Amino acid sequence: DTAVSQTPKYLVTQMGNDKSIKCEQNLGHDTMYWYKQDSKKFLKIMFSYNNKELIINETVPNRFSPKSPDKAHLNLHINSLELGDSAVYFCASSQEGSGLWGEQYFGPGTRLTVT
Amino acid sequence: AQSVTQLGSHVSVSEGALVLLRCNYSSSVPPYLFWYVQYPNQGLQLLLKYTSAATLVKGINGFEAEFKKSETSFHLTKPSAHMSDAAEYFCAVRFNQAGTALIFGKGTTLSVSS
Repeated sequence: DTAVSQTPKYLVTQMGNDKSIKCEQNLGHDTMYWYKQDSKKFLKIMFSYNNKELIINETVPNRFSPKSPDKAHLNLHINSLELGDSAVYFCASSQEGSGLWGEQYFGPGTRLTVT
Repeated sequence: AQSVTQLGSHVSVSEGALVLLRCNYSSSVPPYLFWYVQYPNQGLQLLLKYTSAATLVKGINGFEAEFKKSETSFHLTKPSAHMSDAAEYFCAVRFNQAGTALIFGKGTTLSVSS
């Protein structure tokens, strides 16, 4: 059973298009995250949601909009894609406040290539 | 503010040799510290974590790390490298506050030769 899943795994699209990445976790966690890994493999937080409430919203262009329809899902919609958006996007989840502080489980990643 | 520095972007060892990957952190409050491993084209897998219990932490695949407050370090070690250990390793830190994100170091690529 996959704990944190993402779709699609690969996404190739042209500049200016709008695309979405979906994330689902079946761990019963209450917090979900989006991280971006650039071409140098540097990982940086973009957003986090705790019980469907936006907690972290880093300095990310407003072309990026997360949506959490329920605690098990966190989607990422990107408008007007640019070349610089090419990266691997990782979804993660954790259960906070239960003695399991900080143990985040990561999805397999979505490799976005903008041409 | 919290930050993580991984010394050495690339470490090469022979199979059977000691693995030592260095991580230093900066934090104004007691941190939680983690090591993650990333195999090619895969997601991140937690190796081990320090959350203010024992300072010597044992993880999966024979790895361990020691939290040294005086040195602000959390180095990762493994007594004997295996070819399957070749991967990217990330040290990360976070606050002990709900919903806060992991702050990652830049990663260390471990190569293992036969």
